[in-house]
Amino acid sequence: KQEVTQIPAALSVPEGENLVLNCSFTDSAIYNLQWFRQDPGKGLTSLLLIQSSQREQTSGRLNASLDKSSGRSTLYIAASQPGDSATYLCAGTTSGTYKYIFGTGTRLKVLA
Amino acid sequence: SAVISQKPSRDICQRGTSLTIQCQVDSQVTMMFWYRQQPGQSLTLIATANQGSEATYESGFVIDKFPISRPNLTFSTLTVSNMSPEDSSIYLCSVVLSMTDRAFFGQGTRLTVV
Repeated sequence: KQEVTQIPAALSVPEGENLVLNCSFTDSAIYNLQWFRQDPGKGLTSLLLIQSSQREQTSGRLNASLDKSSGRSTLYIAASQPGDSATYLCAGTTSGTYKYIFGTGTRLKVLA
Repeated sequence: SAVISQKPSRDICQRGTSLTIQCQVDSQVTMMFWYRQQPGQSLTLIATANQGSEATYESGFVIDKFPISRPNLTFSTLTVSNMSPEDSSIYLCSVVLSMTDRAFFGQGTRLTVV
């Protein structure tokens, strides 16, 4: 059974810092991988999608990478801002399915 | 992209009763899913809502407790039956667009069972 661990579970940093959030899958055969953010009381917002043929995606201050040999992904946030405060979730599918299995989440707080 | 509307956004229900949650998508999608997020936890997949056939449930979830309907490619319902306080969670509807493999989520239904 696929299990997804995110490290750290919680993080509090001053504004302006560069951050790395980690995500690790027990089964490294990841097909698609997405990073989401969830604000309190809200649904999920898709941030980045790494499709099966890709290894990295960038959007603005965000960069996500996937190492398929190890089943590990990182989300890099540059020059963090208070508006980045949220819970960040990684989720992946395996080949032949569109069912996303979610990680445990990282709760980020960026202090002004 | 896809815009997903869920109703209700929140509800407080008595134990032993049932609640039906609606999910409406602004376009036709093949792949639709229901997730549960228990307090302080991440998301757990309940089932795949299949259009025209019975839903496919994940381990630990059964049709009698979480019946799902999918009458067409834009709409689905999830019923939480015979509720207990342990069913207090956020329930989320999700779709995956086959052209992009990207998943989109509704805003969720926050259920509290008292």
